[in-house]
Amino acid sequence: DTGVSQDPRHKITKRGQNVTFRCDPISEHNRLYWYRQTLGQGPEFLTYFQNEAQLEKSRLLSDRFSAERPKGSFSTLEIQRTEQGDSAMYLCASSLAAVYEQYFGPGTRLTVT
Amino acid sequence: GESVGLHLPTLSVQEGDNSIINCAYSNSASDYFIWYKQESGKGPQFIIDIRSNMDKRQGQRVTVLLNKTVKHLSLQIAATQPGDSAVYFCAQADFNKFYFGSGTKLNVKP
Repeated sequence: DTGVSQDPRHKITKRGQNVTFRCDPISEHNRLYWYRQTLGQGPEFLTYFQNEAQLEKSRLLSDRFSAERPKGSFSTLEIQRTEQGDSAMYLCASSLAAVYEQYFGPGTRLTVT
Repeated sequence: GESVGLHLPTLSVQEGDNSIINCAYSNSASDYFIWYKQESGKGPQFIIDIRSNMDKRQGQRVTVLLNKTVKHLSLQIAATQPGDSAVYFCAQADFNKFYFGSGTKLNVKP
């Protein structure tokens, strides 16, 4: 296993379009996190899953954002009706439930034009 | 919301010197603190962590100090190397939610 992977690495979309990002965690990790990072800032926590259960989603930025992890393995983050303010790096991380150490993926950079 | 702040946005050190990066946090109930390193174009990389029942923890060339009285966290890097150049973030955990500071950029001068 080579670590957390994210796809795509870059996404350019027009305002109003929907986008979906995928995260594949480290295989034995049952916790998966999504973050957003804007330039010059630290990652901003959005949501996390333990297996397929989404245990925290109050930090999702608006109802245009949703995340799924249907089989407890990979996860998707969808942004509907994108806005220019959604332009950012979207990071995924995974960890073992009993251990806090998170391993981050390389991120998906979203540009909304 | 939570507040995790860093005292200095940029730190320049000479290669071989020790580096100290500081961080203030606001939630005294947090039980876990982490330092991450982020290189350009990459995701954050775990460096070292510390739980609230400790005040010091050492790793390879790195030491984290936690002062709960003043809610302050620091990262010490010994014998700083050019490969240490990156942005460093402190983060605190609160019930499985993680809050990151805005980062300190470390420049290592040869």
